Amino acid sequence: NAGVTQTPKFRVLKTGQSMTLLCAQDMNHEYMYWYRQDPGMGLRLIHYSVGEGTTAKGEVPDGYNVSRLKKQNFLLGLESAAPSQTSVYFCASYEEGGGKETQYFGPGTRLLVL
Amino acid sequence: GDSVTQMEGPVTLSEEAFLTINCTYTATGYPSLFWYVQYPGEGLQLLLKATKADDKGSNKGFEATYRKETTSFHLEKGSVQVSDSAVYFCALRGGGSNYKLTFGKGTLLTVNP
Repeated sequence: NAGVTQTPKFRVLKTGQSMTLLCAQDMNHEYMYWYRQDPGMGLRLIHYSVGEGTTAKGEVPDGYNVSRLKKQNFLLGLESAAPSQTSVYFCASYEEGGGKETQYFGPGTRLLVL
Repeated sequence: GDSVTQMEGPVTLSEEAFLTINCTYTATGYPSLFWYVQYPGEGLQLLLKATKADDKGSNKGFEATYRKETTSFHLEKGSVQVSDSAVYFCALRGGGSNYKLTFGKGTLLTVNP
C-alpha cells in the first residue's frame, strides 16, 4: 500500500512550456485534490475531484487543468507555464466513513518556472 | 466563506518547553477541525482532529480542544522535542463542502536542544 504518490518530484520548466503532474492513490478513495504551497500562503486548493470522470475548480484554478479518467489517478496540467506557477504542488485523497475523515497527502512536486 | 487564522511564526523553543500555537476559525455550520504537520521535505500528515464542539484531539503528546464559543482550536504540547521541529497547519472542513479543507498559513516550529 503506497498511499499517495506523485510524479515527478522536481521539475524545471521554461516560461511557456507545458507539463503534466501525475498523482496516484491505491486506497480506492473517491475524492482527490491538488494544492499549491507557497511561502506565507499555506496551502491553496487548485482543483478537486469527487469521483472518476469529475473535476471542479478550487480557490486558484487559473492556468491549470485537471483530468480524472481513472479513479486512482488525478492529473494536473500546465498548458503554458509562467514564473508565478513556481511552487510546491501537493496531491491529496480523502477517506470518508468509519470516523476516519482524513486527507492523505503525497510527498509533493517542486516546480521551478524560469 | 470559511477561513483559518493561525499564529504567525516562526516559533523557536528549547527542548522540554511548553508549546502553544493559536488557531481561530470562521465557518458556517459545524466544521470539523484539524492540525496537520509537515516535516522538512515531506507532505502533510494528519496530527489530530476534532469533529464537534468540546472534543479534544490528541496524538504524540499534542492536544487541541474544539472551542465553539471562542471559535478556536489551539495546539498544545507540554514538553517539545527536537524531533517536533516542523511546520504546523490548522485546517477546517466545513459542513457539506465536498470534504475540501481550508488551511491556515502554517507556523514553523524550531526546537533547539
